[in-house]
Amino acid sequence: ELKVEQNPLFLSMQEGKNYTIYCNYSTTSDRLYWYRQDPGKSLESLFVLLSNGAVKQEGRLMASLDTKARLSTLHITAAVHDLSATYFCAVAIQGGSEKLVFGKGTKLTVNP
Amino acid sequence: NAGVTQTPKFRILKIGQSMTLQCTQDMNHNYMYWYRQDPGMGLKLIYYSVGAGITDKGEVPNGYNVSRSTTEDFPLRLELAAPSQTSVYFCASSYSMSAGANVLTFGAGSRLTVL
Repeated sequence: ELKVEQNPLFLSMQEGKNYTIYCNYSTTSDRLYWYRQDPGKSLESLFVLLSNGAVKQEGRLMASLDTKARLSTLHITAAVHDLSATYFCAVAIQGGSEKLVFGKGTKLTVNP
Repeated sequence: NAGVTQTPKFRILKIGQSMTLQCTQDMNHNYMYWYRQDPGMGLKLIYYSVGAGITDKGEVPNGYNVSRSTTEDFPLRLELAAPSQTSVYFCASSYSMSAGANVLTFGAGSRLTVL
């Protein structure tokens, strides 16, 4: 059974600082997704990582995937208040790419 | 385009009542999903469908039923509502892109309370 763990689950940081969110998963997969959810809102796609070593960047966020370590990271550079949200990683079940298993989410609060 | 539309947005049910959450997408996506989100627990897959006429169970299917008679619609039926079904429900759809990527588009969510 595929399990996905994120840490930390809560992250409070100051504007301008850097930090990394980690996503570990328990069984082989080569497809990993990051989503963002604002309070009371739906989820929106941030990144799709499809192979070992994949790196994607958008603004102050950069995501990477290490399939051998079963680890993805979401790095935040010089955080700003607008990045405050909950971030989820989701991993595709190998051989069943239509099903994703989500982590519990990391609630990020960026303080002025 | 409307994307994924869910109704209702909010609903309060009494224990034992039944209801259907509606989900419609206008993107001609073949895959559709129902997730529930409980505080601090991430999203759990209830049911999914890979095309009209085909549905399958996810992680937490007990107490729910689905049907997929058309590409556009994927209603979720709750029979005999229980307090444990109090949650926020998200419908999502996707299509399989090249290299197997499967990016989900989510609806706005339906908040259900069972009292």
